[in-house]
Amino acid sequence: AQSVAQPEDQVNVAEGNPLTVKCTYSVSGNPYLFWYVQYPNRGLQFLLKYITGDNLVKGSYGFEAEFNKSQTSFHLKKPSALVSDSALYFCAVRDMSYGGSQGNLIFGKGTKLSVKP
Amino acid sequence: KAGVTQTPRYLIKTRGQQVTLSCSPISGHRSVSWYQQTPGQGLQFLFEYFSETQRNKGNFPGRFSGRQFSNSRSEMNVSTLELGDSALYLCASRRLAGPETDTQYFGPGTRLTVL
Repeated sequence: AQSVAQPEDQVNVAEGNPLTVKCTYSVSGNPYLFWYVQYPNRGLQFLLKYITGDNLVKGSYGFEAEFNKSQTSFHLKKPSALVSDSALYFCAVRDMSYGGSQGNLIFGKGTKLSVKP
Repeated sequence: KAGVTQTPRYLIKTRGQQVTLSCSPISGHRSVSWYQQTPGQGLQFLFEYFSETQRNKGNFPGRFSGRQFSNSRSEMNVSTLELGDSALYLCASRRLAGPETDTQYFGPGTRLTVL
């Protein structure tokens, strides 16, 4: 079965410090991996994705993620955190159970990022 | 370009009632998917529609249904509401041709409270 795990319920970072939000996955075949962010009472905003190519993917708002096939990980990173980055972050993998023609995503449980001034 | 829109944003219903939620995708996006978000279960896939046909369905009871119209707008319906149906219902759209067919873009959600 395909799955995504976010091992940390919460990550606390001081403003200006680098941040990492962890994600590991379990899929058969090549994964399509995504990061989304959710602010309170809002929907999900797309940050970045890995489909193929460079293992380091750059996305919106200065975020990047590193795909590591041997460790089956796709950690989200940012060199310098902002207070406004405080939100709920979701890692997701595209469900390839039916050959990939469908587009639905399997999400992790989410990680709450708190950036303190 | 306008994003995914969902109406209404908030709904309060009582047990046993039914409810219909609406979603308008981004212009040019022909696929619409629905997700349920709850504190306990997280984000769970409900179903995906394109070309007015349900293409895939998550593990939800038959009380949850949906449809898609020729203009790609979609509705989902929940009948005989239960307390456990209280959730944020998110709609997402994606292209079916051209670039970015793999990326889903989400609306703001409809917050359903069942009393």
